[in-house]
Amino acid sequence: DIQMTQSPSSLSASVGDRVTITCRASQGIRNDLGWYQQKPGKAPKRLIYAASSLQSGVPSRFSGRGSGTEFTLTISSLQPEDFATYYCLQHNSYPLTFGGGTKVEIK
Amino acid sequence: QLQLQESGPGLVKPSETLSLTCTVSGDSIISSSYYWGWIRQPPGKGLEWIGSIYDSGSTYYNPSLRSRLTISVDTSKKQFSLRLSSVTAADTAVYYCAGFGALVAAASFDYWGQGTLVIVSS
Repeated sequence: DIQMTQSPSSLSASVGDRVTITCRASQGIRNDLGWYQQKPGKAPKRLIYAASSLQSGVPSRFSGRGSGTEFTLTISSLQPEDFATYYCLQHNSYPLTFGGGTKVEIK
Repeated sequence: QLQLQESGPGLVKPSETLSLTCTVSGDSIISSSYYWGWIRQPPGKGLEWIGSIYDSGSTYYNPSLRSRLTISVDTSKKQFSLRLSSVTAADTAVYYCAGFGALVAAASFDYWGQGTLVIVSS
């Protein structure tokens, strides 16, 4: 199984801050990775697919980079509506695996 | 616009079988471009992939659940289903159904249901 190690598990940031979240895969997954945002009581919403492609309707302040084993999600200027929990998901091989999540909180 | 909706009992007794159905509206469930899956989230915890099913009927299960799990599809009803047997309190979670792109050309395809809370308790 491919393990996805996500860091940090939580962070505190202010509106306007640049935030970066990392996922590391235990083996190469090409670019078969998506990033999701989840708000309390809601289903996850995908922000990025294929590691770096922006999902339709997602603000351009979100960006993804990486290939192989290391991936990042960056929010260039954190907005109030971005306070949420973020997860990565690898779909390179079964079983599909999620990262442990990063909770982005208001400083 | 595709919509997915989970349905099923919100309370299941220990040792019994948890059964959920996901109804797909707005598009055909029969397409080699997509596959369908179940994901769950225990209260206060992270996301766990349960399993996936393709239009061919091929299934892939989380190894930790494989011995108790069955995922099936009924294309005539535009539904796919989850059955998890011998449940315990550890199976208490919000269960989501979702659809994903199976081909590069459909890579942006990603739709989720709103989720349904299933509590395992006597």
